[in-house]
Order: sequence, then C-alpha cells, then structure tokens
Amino acid sequence: GQQLNQSPQSMFIQEGEDVSMNCTSSSIFNTWLWYKQDPGEGPVLLIALYKAGELTSNGRLTAQFGITRKDSFLNISASIPSDVGIYFCAGQNWIQGAQKLVFGQGTRLTINP
Amino acid sequence: EPEVTQTPSHQVTQMGQEVILRCVPISNHLYFYWYRQILGQKVEFLVSFYNNEISEKSEIFDDQFSVERPDGSNFTLKIRSTKLEDSAMYFCASNEVRHRLYEQYFGPGTRLTVT
Repeated sequence: GQQLNQSPQSMFIQEGEDVSMNCTSSSIFNTWLWYKQDPGEGPVLLIALYKAGELTSNGRLTAQFGITRKDSFLNISASIPSDVGIYFCAGQNWIQGAQKLVFGQGTRLTINP
Repeated sequence: EPEVTQTPSHQVTQMGQEVILRCVPISNHLYFYWYRQILGQKVEFLVSFYNNEISEKSEIFDDQFSVERPDGSNFTLKIRSTKLEDSAMYFCASNEVRHRLYEQYFGPGTRLTVT
C-alpha cells in the first residue's frame, strides 16, 4: 500500500531556531496536508497543498509540494515553545467522493527553552 | 469556529463488549471519516462515508465494525465485540464539498481502552 516516510523522526532544538522536516512517498498524491498533534488531542490542520511545486505559508510555517508530487517539506521559522508536538504529513488522491488520508509516522519536535 | 466534536473522551470496556463512539461533524460537511491511532504510532484510516453509505474501508474495518449516521448531525462508529488490540485513539474527521474541498478536520478523539 501507499506509505509516507517522514524525516527526521525526532528533533531537539533550541527556542528561536528554524526547523525543517520532510516527507517522501513512493507514489504520487494529488494533495498533501500537514497536521500538528499535541499529546492526547486530535491532529490540527496546518497547511494544505494542491499543486505540484506550490509553496504556501501560514504565519511562521512554510510548506512546499514537490514537483514530482512524491514529496513535501515543512519549515518552521523562529520556533517557540508552543511549536512542541508531533507533525504529520498526509497524502490524498481526490478522485470522487470521500477520500482517505495516508499519514506518515510523524516528526516529534522538542524545544529546549 | 466550527469544530468536530466527539464523545466520550475516554471509554473503558471489557473485551467482548460492544462500544459506540459518537461524533458530530462540522455542520455543512458532507464527507465523514473514522481513523484510529494506536499509542505512539501513526494515524490509520478506517472508513469513509458519504451520502449515507460507505465510500471506502480499510482492511482494519472488518465485520466487527460498523458506521451509521442516525440523524442529521451524528456519525457513529460501533465495535460489536471489542478485542484488546482495539485499544487506541479513535478520531472522527469531516470535510465539506465546496471551497476547502480536500481539507479534513479532525475531532479531539476518543481514547478506547479494552481490558
């Protein structure tokens, strides 16, 4: 089946540093989404990408959809304590009707104050 | 801002018992989903639902599982005879038809513990 590989699996950074994480797939997706999950809570949508090569920002977050539709990266600039959590990428192929998301295994971000 | 809500937040049940997990999707959304996440692992798709029928289901979603939209607001997941390995967080998600077509919004989850 379709699988997404995220790297790194975990990151330990200092507050104020920039963060970069990525996600790759062996198959093409039409849509990529990035979610953040805090402990004991549901995933919260951060950014959605629809077009190959698309670069989208949401505040301090920037994400890009790879040209091949098989990868994406997420950058966080000037990290703050509330950025701590697990970041998941998810791919989707929207054809008709409800379409499932395929999730990566996540990148756990820890910030030292 | 509209949110997906789920009840209960935590459900403890004995193996073999039936459980029903409840979700209220965002009101103008028409596509509904259930996902699960075993502790420390990634989120896995279970089932999608549109126009009062299942659109797609994963191999996890066997005959012990069923979904229903009993009225205009609720969306439920039933596990008929729970097993120990059903212990996980269960998330409901939904998305709308127009505008943000591809963006699925998740509820806070129900933690199911099977003893």
